[in-house]
Amino acid sequence: AQTVTQSQPEMSVQEAETVTLSCTYDTSENNYYLFWYKQPPSRQMILVIRQEAYKQQNATENRFSVNFQKAAKSFSLKISDSQLGDTAMYFCAFMSNSGGSNYKLTFGKGTLLTVNP
Amino acid sequence: DAGVTQSPTHLIKTRGQQVTLRCSPKSGHDTVSWYQQALGQGPQFIFQYYEEEERQRGNFPDRFSGHQFPNYSSELNVNALLLGDSALYLCASSGQDTYEQYFGPGTRLTVT
Repeated sequence: AQTVTQSQPEMSVQEAETVTLSCTYDTSENNYYLFWYKQPPSRQMILVIRQEAYKQQNATENRFSVNFQKAAKSFSLKISDSQLGDTAMYFCAFMSNSGGSNYKLTFGKGTLLTVNP
Repeated sequence: DAGVTQSPTHLIKTRGQQVTLRCSPKSGHDTVSWYQQALGQGPQFIFQYYEEEERQRGNFPDRFSGHQFPNYSSELNVNALLLGDSALYLCASSGQDTYEQYFGPGTRLTVT
């Protein structure tokens, strides 16, 4: 079974600065997807960024980028130029891409990010 | 383009009762997944429906059941409610050509 670990329960950053959230995962599979989701106080889970394991290039979406280290099973999220609206719970998630398991997301426990003015 | 919708927003039930939660997928999506998110935790996969059948199930008891309708909308039913069933229930939809899951706003269930 896959597991996802987020070792930072809470983090804070000043507005306009850069912050990195950590995520490690455990799997014996070679084909999978990794995601970062954001859940603000409104509860809506929003997809921030995705990474296919077969791609060596790190994914980037505007101010959000990842550092994907497949051998180390590490998938960190970097938020540049932090904004007050980035304050939320951030979840790292794993999805297998093999056989009958490529349907469910396995989430970490989350990191609560607070952006301070 | 409507996103994933869920109803009701909030629900309060008594231990032992039964509850039904509803989900309408994003336009163009045909697959619905349900997750349970306890307070302070990440979501846990309950099950997924595709073509009106349960395709995969997580580690949840048979008290949790579901249904998918021909229009792809879905229901989650929980029987014999326990206090521990209190949680945010999230519905997510996806399409045949995408592995990305898009979430609804959730239903907050409180069991007293």
